[in-house]
Amino acid sequence: DQQVKQNSPSLSVQEGRISILNCDYTNSMFDYFLWYKKYPAEGPTFLISISSIKDKNEDGRFTVFLNKSAKHLSLHIVPSQPGDSAVYFCAASEDDKIIFGKGTRLHILP
Amino acid sequence: GAGVSQSPRYKVAKRGQDVALRCDPISGHVSLFWYQQALGQGPEFLTYFQNEAQLDKSGLPSDRFFAERPEGSVSTLKIQRTQQEDSAVYLCASSLVLGQTYTDTQYFGPGTRLTVL
Repeated sequence: DQQVKQNSPSLSVQEGRISILNCDYTNSMFDYFLWYKKYPAEGPTFLISISSIKDKNEDGRFTVFLNKSAKHLSLHIVPSQPGDSAVYFCAASEDDKIIFGKGTRLHILP
Repeated sequence: GAGVSQSPRYKVAKRGQDVALRCDPISGHVSLFWYQQALGQGPEFLTYFQNEAQLDKSGLPSDRFFAERPEGSVSTLKIQRTQQEDSAVYLCASSLVLGQTYTDTQYFGPGTRLTVL
């Protein structure tokens, strides 16, 4: 059973528009959530994180929202750029581990 | 400075062979993690080192998997008697502080793609 779920395998967004990637989790004990970005043949790269005591964290074009009551978080990218095309992994930290979702492949269309 | 490096980048093994995968973490990074990423899945935790001490190996799928970091820097993941289900990308990550994932970023290497025939 997956503790971190990304139910959309892929998403296509027009360049310049907002990309919204969603993630659900089941373990209410997670204390930190992260988003990683991955290009082909490279390892995941840390993008942005949020503590469970916050509901929003913003870094440039990237904003992560956390809804603890719904056990849901989302990553907003605005405006979307061609270089944003990649696989995005939602992850949650538990003790010394990071637990990843399956990823969502984002395609930015010209 | 240099990031996390892994070698080989690609490895093809016949079923039953032993393989050794190497990870060179970022210099000075205390914590080192190994993950397994199967096709279409996210990375899954295998094991974790703090310096040379292996503090958590709960993710290792069987006793055929063994990891070591004898001098607290380079780490090797060894898989004995490889099986087809071991085919995956093996990712190594390192972080600066002591396993505090919520305060510290894990930096990933490019991975080793293992194919077992």
